[in-house]
Amino acid sequence: ETGVTQTPRHLVMGMTNKKSLKCEQHLGHNAMYWYKQSAKKPLELMFVYSLEERVENNSVPSRFSPECPNSSHLFLHLHTLQPEDSALYLCASSQKVGSPETQYFGPGTRLLVL
Amino acid sequence: QKEVEQDPGPLSVPEGAIVSLNCTYSNSAFQYFMWYRQYSRKGPELLMYTYSSGNKEDGRFTAQVDKSSKYISLFIRDSQPSDSATYLCAMISASGGSYIPTFGRGTSLIVHP
Repeated sequence: ETGVTQTPRHLVMGMTNKKSLKCEQHLGHNAMYWYKQSAKKPLELMFVYSLEERVENNSVPSRFSPECPNSSHLFLHLHTLQPEDSALYLCASSQKVGSPETQYFGPGTRLLVL
Repeated sequence: QKEVEQDPGPLSVPEGAIVSLNCTYSNSAFQYFMWYRQYSRKGPELLMYTYSSGNKEDGRFTAQVDKSSKYISLFIRDSQPSDSATYLCAMISASGGSYIPTFGRGTSLIVHP
């Protein structure tokens, strides 16, 4: 295990639902990330948090809303998603932002939007 | 042109073969190079991390960086069925200050007994 956990591991939701993805890291890191992984496409960075402050938002639609209440926890709140949002959502953490640190990934949440 | 190009495969080899996985890139500011392995239904895990050009070896794995050609490779010797996974290359630029990795789309490797 990498020290990064994600729940739930699988999620099926309708386009009108609201759900949240949870990530927790046990590594004492100060930076956390959300990525989207779609089939045959590179990992897409969605959000970056450093010490609970959002430092990067890569033009992600507002139907995705991140929350970082502390340096160990990261949430991704989902509402009115579209079928094309179906993907694997990966959380990662690193020691800090601003230096070439190794990222440690969680197992991901497999999301299916019907 | 994508910043990082990686053939998605699948690459199918017999057990014991030497595997060569490659990525090319266009951004000459990339200085840090990584290879991640991702098993089915798991997140990526770091295999190798190198800085600038040269070779780095770790057991059966060798990472090679050729900055003049903007080309990186991961070699796997004596490949095993347990090596079957998707291999992602990632690179970090030394300029700009964010140090966020840029990933390739991954190469699917199948090692059959």
